[in-house]
Amino acid sequence: EAQVTQNPRYLITVTGKKLTVTCSQNMNHEYMSWYRQDPGLGLRQIYYSMNVEVTDKGDVPEGYKVSRKEKRNFPLILESPSPNQTSLYFCASSLFRNGEQYFGPGTRLTVT
Amino acid sequence: EDQVTQSPEALRLQEGESSSLNCSYTVSGLRGLFWYRQDPGKGPEFLFTLYSAGEEKEKERLKATLTKKESFLHITAPKPEDSATYLCAVQATDTGTASKLTFGTGTRLQVTL
Repeated sequence: EAQVTQNPRYLITVTGKKLTVTCSQNMNHEYMSWYRQDPGLGLRQIYYSMNVEVTDKGDVPEGYKVSRKEKRNFPLILESPSPNQTSLYFCASSLFRNGEQYFGPGTRLTVT
Repeated sequence: EDQVTQSPEALRLQEGESSSLNCSYTVSGLRGLFWYRQDPGKGPEFLFTLYSAGEEKEKERLKATLTKKESFLHITAPKPEDSATYLCAVQATDTGTASKLTFGTGTRLQVTL
Protein backbone atom coordinates (compact mmCIF):
# COMPACT_ATOMS: atom_id res chain seq x y z
CA GLU A 1 0.00 0.00 0.00
CA ALA A 2 1.31 3.42 -0.99
CA GLN A 3 1.71 5.50 2.12
CA VAL A 4 3.58 8.03 4.19
CA THR A 5 4.33 6.92 7.73
CA GLN A 6 5.34 9.03 10.72
CA ASN A 7 6.62 8.05 14.14
CA PRO A 8 5.81 8.65 16.86
CA ARG A 9 2.16 9.57 16.48
CA TYR A 10 2.02 11.22 19.89
CA LEU A 11 4.85 12.69 21.93
CA ILE A 12 5.00 14.63 25.17
CA THR A 13 8.39 16.02 26.06
CA VAL A 14 10.06 18.73 28.12
CA THR A 15 11.72 21.94 27.03
CA GLY A 16 15.23 21.43 25.71
CA LYS A 17 15.17 17.67 25.24
CA LYS A 18 16.22 16.86 21.69
CA LEU A 19 13.79 14.80 19.66
CA THR A 20 13.38 13.37 16.16
CA VAL A 21 10.17 12.67 14.30
CA THR A 22 10.64 10.17 11.51
CA CYS A 23 8.93 10.20 8.14
CA SER A 24 9.10 7.53 5.48
CA GLN A 25 7.37 7.09 2.11
CA ASN A 26 7.24 4.01 -0.10
CA MET A 27 6.22 5.70 -3.37
CA ASN A 28 9.69 6.66 -4.61
CA HIS A 29 8.69 10.33 -4.49
CA GLU A 30 11.27 13.04 -5.16
CA TYR A 31 9.68 15.78 -3.08
CA MET A 32 9.05 15.71 0.65
CA SER A 33 7.89 18.39 3.08
CA TRP A 34 7.17 18.99 6.73
CA TYR A 35 4.21 21.08 7.87
CA ARG A 36 2.84 22.16 11.20
CA GLN A 37 -0.85 22.73 11.76
CA ASP A 38 -2.10 25.15 14.41
CA PRO A 39 -5.67 26.32 15.08
CA GLY A 40 -6.49 29.46 13.11
CA LEU A 41 -3.19 29.37 11.21
CA GLY A 42 -3.68 26.42 8.90
CA LEU A 43 -0.89 24.25 7.59
CA ARG A 44 2.48 26.00 7.32
CA GLN A 45 5.52 24.55 5.63
CA ILE A 46 8.61 24.08 7.82
CA TYR A 47 11.14 22.54 5.43
CA TYR A 48 11.08 20.79 2.10
CA SER A 49 13.36 18.55 0.09
CA MET A 50 13.65 18.16 -3.67
CA ASN A 51 15.86 15.07 -3.55
CA VAL A 52 18.55 13.32 -1.53
CA GLU A 53 20.84 15.85 0.17
CA VAL A 54 18.78 18.77 -1.20
CA THR A 55 16.70 20.64 1.36
CA ASP A 56 15.50 24.20 1.88
CA LYS A 57 13.58 26.32 4.35
CA GLY A 58 9.84 26.81 4.23
CA ASP A 59 7.84 29.53 5.96
CA VAL A 60 8.56 28.61 9.61
CA PRO A 61 11.97 26.86 9.82
CA GLU A 62 13.22 28.39 13.10
CA GLY A 63 13.99 25.76 15.72
CA TYR A 64 13.88 22.84 13.30
CA LYS A 65 16.40 20.82 11.31
CA VAL A 66 15.96 18.20 8.60
CA SER A 67 18.10 15.79 6.64
CA ARG A 68 17.53 13.70 3.53
CA LYS A 69 20.16 10.97 3.34
CA GLU A 70 17.88 8.46 1.66
CA LYS A 71 15.09 9.11 -0.82
CA ARG A 72 12.42 7.47 1.29
CA ASN A 73 13.20 9.12 4.65
CA PHE A 74 12.93 12.73 5.79
CA PRO A 75 13.30 13.11 9.57
CA LEU A 76 12.41 16.31 11.43
CA ILE A 77 14.76 17.21 14.28
CA LEU A 78 14.03 19.56 17.16
CA GLU A 79 17.40 20.19 18.83
CA SER A 80 15.99 22.15 21.77
CA PRO A 81 12.20 22.05 21.76
CA SER A 82 10.23 24.92 23.27
CA PRO A 83 6.54 25.18 24.24
CA ASN A 84 5.75 27.22 21.11
CA GLN A 85 6.60 24.13 19.07
CA THR A 86 3.62 22.32 20.53
CA SER A 87 1.65 21.50 17.40
CA LEU A 88 0.38 18.84 15.01
CA TYR A 89 3.06 17.92 12.49
CA PHE A 90 2.56 16.39 9.05
CA CYS A 91 5.02 14.96 6.60
CA ALA A 92 4.07 14.93 2.92
CA SER A 93 5.54 13.64 -0.32
CA SER A 94 4.88 14.15 -4.02
CA LEU A 95 6.24 12.71 -7.23
CA PHE A 96 6.35 16.00 -9.11
CA ARG A 97 7.04 19.56 -8.04
CA ASN A 98 3.47 20.61 -8.85
CA GLY A 99 1.81 17.32 -8.16
CA GLU A 100 -0.56 16.41 -5.40
CA GLN A 101 1.04 15.84 -2.03
CA TYR A 102 0.36 12.72 0.03
CA PHE A 103 0.27 13.33 3.74
CA GLY A 104 1.20 11.15 6.66
CA PRO A 105 -1.13 10.56 9.62
CA GLY A 106 0.38 13.31 11.75
CA THR A 107 2.43 13.58 14.95
CA ARG A 108 0.93 15.45 17.87
CA LEU A 109 3.76 17.01 19.87
CA THR A 110 3.40 18.63 23.26
CA VAL A 111 6.37 20.46 24.79
CA THR A 112 6.02 21.35 28.47
CA GLU B 1 3.02 37.12 -0.22
CA ASP B 2 0.67 34.33 -1.22
CA GLN B 3 -2.65 34.30 0.64
CA VAL B 4 -5.56 31.89 0.77
CA THR B 5 -8.87 32.71 2.48
CA GLN B 6 -11.60 30.14 2.89
CA SER B 7 -15.25 30.79 3.73
CA PRO B 8 -17.32 30.02 5.58
CA GLU B 9 -15.26 28.77 8.53
CA ALA B 10 -17.96 26.27 9.37
CA LEU B 11 -21.02 25.02 7.55
CA ARG B 12 -23.81 22.79 8.73
CA LEU B 13 -26.00 21.15 6.10
CA GLN B 14 -28.81 18.66 6.16
CA GLU B 15 -28.38 15.53 4.10
CA GLY B 16 -29.26 16.34 0.50
CA GLU B 17 -28.87 20.12 0.94
CA SER B 18 -26.40 21.28 -1.72
CA SER B 19 -23.99 24.15 -1.09
CA SER B 20 -20.62 25.63 -2.05
CA LEU B 21 -17.38 26.35 -0.23
CA ASN B 22 -15.27 29.31 -1.29
CA CYS B 23 -11.51 29.70 -1.60
CA SER B 24 -10.17 33.15 -2.48
CA TYR B 25 -6.51 33.44 -3.30
CA THR B 26 -3.84 36.02 -3.97
CA VAL B 27 -0.73 34.77 -5.70
CA SER B 28 1.77 36.32 -8.07
CA GLY B 29 1.24 33.55 -10.60
CA LEU B 30 -0.76 30.38 -10.09
CA ARG B 31 0.90 27.07 -10.78
CA GLY B 32 -1.91 25.04 -9.25
CA LEU B 33 -4.82 25.14 -6.79
CA PHE B 34 -5.42 22.08 -4.65
CA TRP B 35 -8.38 20.86 -2.63
CA TYR B 36 -7.90 18.45 0.26
CA ARG B 37 -10.24 16.77 2.71
CA GLN B 38 -9.14 16.31 6.32
CA ASP B 39 -10.91 14.06 8.79
CA PRO B 40 -10.37 14.61 12.54
CA GLY B 41 -7.05 13.18 13.69
CA LYS B 42 -5.88 12.37 10.17
CA GLY B 43 -3.68 13.85 7.48
CA PRO B 44 -5.15 15.78 4.56
CA GLU B 45 -6.36 13.63 1.68
CA PHE B 46 -5.95 14.90 -1.87
CA LEU B 47 -9.14 15.64 -3.84
CA PHE B 48 -8.43 17.85 -6.87
CA THR B 49 -5.85 19.96 -8.66
CA LEU B 50 -6.93 22.87 -10.88
CA TYR B 51 -4.42 24.66 -13.08
CA SER B 52 -6.22 27.35 -15.08
CA ALA B 53 -9.31 29.56 -14.92
CA GLY B 54 -12.38 27.83 -16.27
CA GLU B 55 -11.20 24.37 -15.33
CA GLU B 56 -13.62 22.06 -13.52
CA LYS B 57 -13.13 18.64 -11.91
CA GLU B 58 -15.65 16.26 -10.40
CA LYS B 59 -15.54 13.34 -8.02
CA GLU B 60 -18.74 11.75 -6.76
CA ARG B 61 -20.74 14.53 -5.06
CA LEU B 62 -17.92 17.09 -5.28
CA LYS B 63 -17.15 19.51 -8.08
CA ALA B 64 -14.31 22.02 -8.01
CA THR B 65 -14.18 25.10 -10.22
CA LEU B 66 -11.57 27.81 -10.69
CA THR B 67 -11.58 31.48 -11.67
CA LYS B 68 -8.69 33.94 -11.68
CA LYS B 69 -9.36 34.95 -8.08
CA GLU B 70 -11.22 32.10 -6.41
CA SER B 71 -12.21 28.48 -6.43
CA PHE B 72 -15.44 26.86 -5.38
CA LEU B 73 -16.04 23.38 -4.07
CA HIS B 74 -19.65 22.50 -4.84
CA ILE B 75 -21.20 19.70 -2.81
CA THR B 76 -24.32 18.19 -4.37
CA ALA B 77 -26.77 16.24 -2.20
CA PRO B 78 -24.23 15.72 0.61
CA LYS B 79 -24.27 12.71 2.91
CA PRO B 80 -23.12 12.48 6.54
CA GLU B 81 -19.89 10.81 5.39
CA ASP B 82 -18.97 14.06 3.59
CA SER B 83 -18.50 15.69 6.99
CA ALA B 84 -14.88 16.83 7.24
CA THR B 85 -12.70 19.91 7.01
CA TYR B 86 -12.01 20.95 3.43
CA LEU B 87 -8.69 22.66 2.78
CA CYS B 88 -7.67 24.78 -0.17
CA ALA B 89 -4.03 25.37 -1.10
CA VAL B 90 -2.17 27.21 -3.84
CA GLN B 91 1.21 26.72 -5.40
CA ALA B 92 2.77 29.80 -6.98
CA THR B 93 4.88 29.90 -10.10
CA ASP B 94 7.69 31.71 -8.29
CA THR B 95 8.48 28.80 -5.95
CA GLY B 96 11.37 27.77 -8.17
CA THR B 97 12.21 24.13 -7.63
CA ALA B 98 10.15 23.89 -4.47
CA SER B 99 6.90 22.06 -3.92
CA LYS B 100 5.63 24.71 -1.50
CA LEU B 101 1.92 24.94 -0.83
CA THR B 102 0.17 27.82 0.91
CA PHE B 103 -2.93 26.58 2.73
CA GLY B 104 -6.12 28.26 3.87
CA THR B 105 -7.48 27.55 7.32
CA GLY B 106 -10.27 25.35 5.98
CA THR B 107 -14.04 25.02 6.07
CA ARG B 108 -15.41 22.62 8.64
CA LEU B 109 -18.44 20.88 7.09
CA GLN B 110 -21.01 18.97 9.08
CA VAL B 111 -23.77 17.08 7.30
CA THR B 112 -26.65 15.88 9.45
CA LEU B 113 -29.49 13.43 8.80
